[in-house]
Amino acid sequence: GDSVTQMEGPVTLSEEAFLTINCTYTATGYPSLFWYVQYPGEGLQLLLKATKADDKGSNKGFEATYRKETTSFHLEKGSVQVSDSAVYFCALSGDSWGKLQFGAGTQVVVTP
Amino acid sequence: GAGVSQSPRYKVAKRGQDVALRCDPISGHVSLFWYQQALGQGPEFLTYFQNEAQLDKSGLPSDRFFAERPEGSVSTLKIQRTQQEDSAVYLCASSITMNTGELFFGEGSRLTVL
Repeated sequence: GDSVTQMEGPVTLSEEAFLTINCTYTATGYPSLFWYVQYPGEGLQLLLKATKADDKGSNKGFEATYRKETTSFHLEKGSVQVSDSAVYFCALSGDSWGKLQFGAGTQVVVTP
Repeated sequence: GAGVSQSPRYKVAKRGQDVALRCDPISGHVSLFWYQQALGQGPEFLTYFQNEAQLDKSGLPSDRFFAERPEGSVSTLKIQRTQQEDSAVYLCASSITMNTGELFFGEGSRLTVL
């Protein structure tokens, strides 16, 4: 079945540092790929998405590129802020309902 | 409100009790999902509704779990004879249509079974 693997956390870094969170997937067909974020005390919210190979999703300074050849969708941000501290989930959707298969999540802690 | 609302936010149950968790999706959203999230894990799919029709219940872990959405808006997840392994956060999400993967999540209902 479909699955998502993402790097374990916590990832701790200083403000203005470069952030990468690795995500790889296994799926039949051509899934859509997503990054969701959960800020402390809040519900999950969509950060960005990509629906086909080589698409780049971007939002709030974050970017991820759908790489079919490496089955990856790594999340990057060039200069993180304390407000980016959250748990980040990589997910895929491969069925007709839009059902999401999530990775285990990566906690990111940004210190001043 | 404008978002997905879930109640109760916290529920403590004794093993063997029945519990009911409520979800108010965003008005007009056709699709509604329930997920279960164990501590330190990603959400796991439980069931999906398109309007009032339950089209996928493949993720429900046992026949003790039951979900309904009788009028195509509010949904209830019911767990009968709760067990300790049912302790988790139960997330509800809605989407304006199907097949987008763009879900709006509630804050969840945290269930603790003693």
